[in-house]
Parts: sequence; structure tokens; C-alpha cells
Amino acid sequence: EAGVTQFPSHSVIEKGQTVTLRCDPISGHDNLYWYRRVMGKEIKFLLHFVKESKQDESGMPNNRFLAERTGGTYSTLKVQPAELEDSGVYFCASSDPGTGKGPAYEQYFGPGTRLTVT
Amino acid sequence: LAKTTQPISMDSYEGQEVNITCSHNNIATNDYITWYQQFPSQGPRFIIQGYKTKVTNEVASLFIPADRKSSTLSLPRVSLSDTAVYYCLVDFGNEKLTFGTGTRLTIIP
Repeated sequence: EAGVTQFPSHSVIEKGQTVTLRCDPISGHDNLYWYRRVMGKEIKFLLHFVKESKQDESGMPNNRFLAERTGGTYSTLKVQPAELEDSGVYFCASSDPGTGKGPAYEQYFGPGTRLTVT
Repeated sequence: LAKTTQPISMDSYEGQEVNITCSHNNIATNDYITWYQQFPSQGPRFIIQGYKTKVTNEVASLFIPADRKSSTLSLPRVSLSDTAVYYCLVDFGNEKLTFGTGTRLTIIP
């Protein structure tokens, strides 16, 4: 079974430009999450999709970030316009309550996209 | 959300058993304790989860005392490939995960 994949693995853009990150969850996983780690900080939650609906977007830093999950499959996270403080690693994770072993279901993480804004 | 505290770093020699303790004094009744492992340039990976007493799987054991205010991840006979950051999380339900600073474990040959 393929794991969570993310594209690109690394992106370098200039301040003010737009970048779109993509996440393909494990097939059949309704839950999709975005997290990020900015330099020197902890991994922080951004938002949670259940199928195509945003369940929780409390972690989105501001309106320069837009996440979509059309059709409930892959998701994109767009940053427009990018700022220097957006640099970091953006992780995507997915989970399926149907296969969980407990209330806190296992989340499967992708390798992350390293975003560098110069 | 419950906050966790764990050592910033630990060193151990190959072949030894490693125990990483996490404090979570404000854990709620419905919270589970989950540990994730992260290698460089990879996303976190689920290791083990428990509610109380002891849980064991093919990778690790998790010890949780009766008051549940702490937990200990035990890695038997570690190898160099166990060098990673280990995160202790306290969560309930299919919701966002709250990561702390984690414990950077270094295995020495």
C-alpha cells in the first residue's frame, strides 16, 4: 500500500510569490491533516479535512494560506503571497477511523515539503 | 489540550534498553497517550499508543502508571537505526495532534 505522498519535496521561492503544495493521502483515508514546522519550532497543526470538508482550520496562520480538497482525495495548500516566515517543512497526514486501534487514531505522515522563501 | 514534558535529548549505547519518560499532569479522562518517532527528512511515524497499564508491540513497550500523569516509552536493545526524535502526545479522537519538542535519542556504537 502506498503511503502519504507530498509534492514537491522542496520548493524555493521569492517573497511575494505563490506556491502550491500537494498531498496525496493513503487511498480510502477520509481524514487529511496539514501540519508545519517553522525553523526551530515545534510541529504545529494547520487544518483537518474530513473528505472534502474542513473540519478544523484553527491552525491556519492567516488568510494567505488556502487549503482545498476537492473531491475528497488529494489536497493542496496554497501560500499567496509567501513571506519569509513561511519557510519551514509542511507535513501532510491522513487517517482512517475504520482501522484505528483506539480513539486517537494513528495518523500516517508524508515526508514533508521543505519550503524556503527568500 | 494536555501539555507534555519530556527530556530534550538522551544518549544510549547499542544493545541497551532505552526508557524515555513523559510527564502529562493535566491528562484528561478520555485522553490516550501516543508516541511518534521521526527520522531526519521524514514525517513522524506512529510507534505505540495506550490508555493505562502496559502496552507492548513489536517495536516498543509503553508503561502508564495508575494516575496516568506520566508514561514511559521503552525501546528494547536499541540499534543505530533507532536514532531519531521521539514525541509523546496526549490526544483523544480523530483530531489534531499536538507535538511538543520531543526527545532526540542518539544511539552510540
